[in-house]
Amino acid sequence: AQSVSQHNHHVILSEAASLELGCNYSYGGTVNLFWYVQYPGQHLQLLLKYFSGDPLVKGIKGFEAEFIKSKFSFNLRKPSVQWSDTAEYFCAVGPRYSGGGADGLTFGKGTHLIIQP
Amino acid sequence: DAGITQSPRHKVTETGTPVTLRCHQTENHRYMYWYRQDPGHGLRLIHYSYGVKDTDKGEVSDGYSVSRSKTEDFLLTLESATSSQTSVYFCAINREGGYTQYFGPGTRLTVL
Repeated sequence: AQSVSQHNHHVILSEAASLELGCNYSYGGTVNLFWYVQYPGQHLQLLLKYFSGDPLVKGIKGFEAEFIKSKFSFNLRKPSVQWSDTAEYFCAVGPRYSGGGADGLTFGKGTHLIIQP
Repeated sequence: DAGITQSPRHKVTETGTPVTLRCHQTENHRYMYWYRQDPGHGLRLIHYSYGVKDTDKGEVSDGYSVSRSKTEDFLLTLESATSSQTSVYFCAINREGGYTQYFGPGTRLTVL
């Protein structure tokens, strides 16, 4: 069975601070990795994803994530946060099958990020 | 926007009553999913479908059933709602041949 662990449940930062949110997963096979963001009162939106290739992936709004296979980690980073980044962030993992995914994703419990002006 | 709508968007019901939530997609995707979101738990998979009349259980399927008689609709039914099923329910789709899931706007269900 898959599992995803997000290290920080609540993070409070000031604007312009750097951000790193930790995510570790447990799974015996090949996986796809995702970060989703949920702004207050809204649905989940895809922030970035990793399937294969360059382990450093860039997403929307200046976010990036690095896949480190040896550490089973997929940490999210942003060099300078803004007040509008206040949201809930979820790391998710799904098994990779040929021809596309069918099974659901396994999500971490989320990190509530608050950016203070 | 992945062309997903959910109805109702909000519902309050009483313990023991049946409840059906609807997920409708306009893009003819094969794969559809139901998740529930609870504070401190993230999102957890309830059921998913890989085609008309083809469904399977997820991590937290007890107390829920699903049906998919048409490609565009995926229904989630709580046969007899309980207070522990108070949650926000999200539907998602997975585009054919892809791995990325796209989510609907959610349904907030309160069971009193």
